[in-house]
Amino acid sequence: DGGITQSPKYLFRKEGQNVTLSCEQNLNHDAMYWYRQDPGQGLRLIYYSQIVNDFQKGDIAEGYSVSREKKESFPLTVTSAQKNPTAFYLCASSPTGLGQGIIYGYTFGSGTRLTVV
Amino acid sequence: DQQVKQNSPSLSVQEGRISILNCDYTNSMFDYFLWYKKYPAEGPTFLISISSIKDKNEDGRFTVFLNKSAKHLSLHIVPSQPGDSAVYFCAAKTINTGTASKLTFGTGTRLQVTL
Repeated sequence: DGGITQSPKYLFRKEGQNVTLSCEQNLNHDAMYWYRQDPGQGLRLIYYSQIVNDFQKGDIAEGYSVSREKKESFPLTVTSAQKNPTAFYLCASSPTGLGQGIIYGYTFGSGTRLTVV
Repeated sequence: DQQVKQNSPSLSVQEGRISILNCDYTNSMFDYFLWYKKYPAEGPTFLISISSIKDKNEDGRFTVFLNKSAKHLSLHIVPSQPGDSAVYFCAAKTINTGTASKLTFGTGTRLQVTL
């Protein structure tokens, strides 16, 4: 049963700590994305990756880092430089090229809620 | 610069009536539009989409209308049901071959269907 898994579901971070959010997909999708959701601001793109070992900054990349060493995995690290990290983080994946990626857009994970304590 | 806008943050509709959710965009390069539905603490799920070569797409109770000249699209839900209560995101993209086509999302509209 293919899908995209985010863990943990809830994460608490102390001020000054780095934390890493996991995202794994078994859909054989080339592209993966990280979004952040804040109340009243919709979904904002943090980073995306079109292929293994390559990734691009999105609209709000400051204070975050990613890696893409495997096709299935796209972890997001929230660093201490991120001034307001409390948010709901969503990972997504999609095929590239024509086909289902065009019609359905992304497949999303169920999200990780990060809270700074 | 918000390229995709959903100007109504919330909407309340009685069960059985029509729900109309609106979305405006500013980027004329967008040529594919999607609607996603999101429940609290879950990821969005795909609902319906429309290509810019069409002005209407229908799937069961859900219909999306696209007015390219006005850069406006709307999602109609008829009849509305309590299970439709969720946040609805409009999204847009340009179709590219062989590349990841990023989605640009609106801010969402929270729909509440009352009994």
